[in-house]
Amino acid sequence: GENVEQHPSTLSVQEGDSAVIKCTYSDSASNYFPWYKQELGKGPQLIIDIRSNVGEKKDQRIAVTLNKTAKHFSLHITETQPEDSAVYFCAASIRNQFYFGTGTSLTVIP
Amino acid sequence: NAGVTQTPKFQVLKTGQSMTLQCAQDMNHEYMSWYRQDPGMGLRLIHYSVGAGITDQGEVPNGYNVSRSTTEDFPLRLLSAAPSQTSVYFCASSGGVNYGYTFGSGTRLTVV
Repeated sequence: GENVEQHPSTLSVQEGDSAVIKCTYSDSASNYFPWYKQELGKGPQLIIDIRSNVGEKKDQRIAVTLNKTAKHFSLHITETQPEDSAVYFCAASIRNQFYFGTGTSLTVIP
Repeated sequence: NAGVTQTPKFQVLKTGQSMTLQCAQDMNHEYMSWYRQDPGMGLRLIHYSVGAGITDQGEVPNGYNVSRSTTEDFPLRLLSAAPSQTSVYFCASSGGVNYGYTFGSGTRLTVV
């Protein structure tokens, strides 16, 4: 099956700085890459996604980039705020299944 | 619009007991899945379904059964609970494999 690796596992940034989380995948047939945010005690929530025919997608302070050749995709959060503190998961879909990374715990320091 | 509803939110079982975790969605999604979340291991797929009457195994199916008799419901059954099944369980649904999941709020299960 697909193998999704996510780095870093923990990330601390000062409020207002940018945060970048990176994921790699192994199967070139993967074609859909969502990102989820999980707050303490809650289920993951979809925040942005990208399909394999697109290289970049932005939604306000959040952007995702995809490099199909290198098989990696990244989440970029600009102008971070304390409410961005959470665990973020990347995922890749292939053959009717989603495979998740192991998560990044982001802390935004006021 | 309730989204994905999971019950119960918390459960303590004794080793060997059986139980069913309930999951229902009201978005008419064909795709439904069960994941378990353990510290440092992300979300691991237990079972999934691409439509009523169709189920398949994920990465960690042993010790769990599922059925999908309706589009709305996708219960997860623990046949004989073991301490290794202590985890947080999430049910999720989507319109298809190339659409994002909507997750439930989770069931925290402890097996003693």
